Amino acid sequence: AQKITQTQPGMFVQEKEAVTLDCTYDTSDPSYGLFWYKQPSSGEMIFLIYQGSYDQQNATEGRYSLNFQKARKSANLVISASQLGDSAMYFCAMREGRGSIQGAQKLVFGQGTRLTINP
Amino acid sequence: DSGVTQTPKHLITATGQRVTLRCSPRSGDLSVYWYQQSLDQGLQFLIQYYNGEERAKGNILERFSAQQFPDLHSELNLSSLELGDSALYFCASSALWAGRQGYTFGSGTRLTVV
Repeated sequence: AQKITQTQPGMFVQEKEAVTLDCTYDTSDPSYGLFWYKQPSSGEMIFLIYQGSYDQQNATEGRYSLNFQKARKSANLVISASQLGDSAMYFCAMREGRGSIQGAQKLVFGQGTRLTINP
Repeated sequence: DSGVTQTPKHLITATGQRVTLRCSPRSGDLSVYWYQQSLDQGLQFLIQYYNGEERAKGNILERFSAQQFPDLHSELNLSSLELGDSALYFCASSALWAGRQGYTFGSGTRLTVV
């Protein structure tokens, strides 16, 4: 079953504007982690931001922030003051549970949103 | 350098052939995960190893197999290759508790089957 949903296949934004990328998730595990990754055209996966299910505050990392609404099961990525270099694919991912003696659970990814920043 | 090393970076091979993709995890990480990313798709989980043992399996084809060696490097073997196997294959590693440190991804192996 699909556990991570990204409903925006593509987005076009003007440079310097803020942009919100949507992500909803589904899990019955009270302990989970949410991640956002950026994948530029070169292909590598770049970690952006992490939110744990028990974190009281929304995560922030520089120009990136995560709008975490637990009751709605949403974890939207907000990029402030977008730059041309932000053009890339963005993936939301979730890890259920915290880990065990057999290692941390796998990451499950959404289908991604292709963000294009226009000058 | 993310700390996860994948080789080769690019691979072009013919249908019906067999290839081996290699992954060395970040120092200290015991878990290795393999993902497949087809064109313009999300990452599909294939298989996970923890300290040499298979931990979890995704939709991995029977033609594909993997293992993790005592030095913790892992190999993904793809056999009887088909055109549809063309994809970017990622390896990731994690510590026991994948919190903020999360998962470290390699740069991927781009496989093209012709």
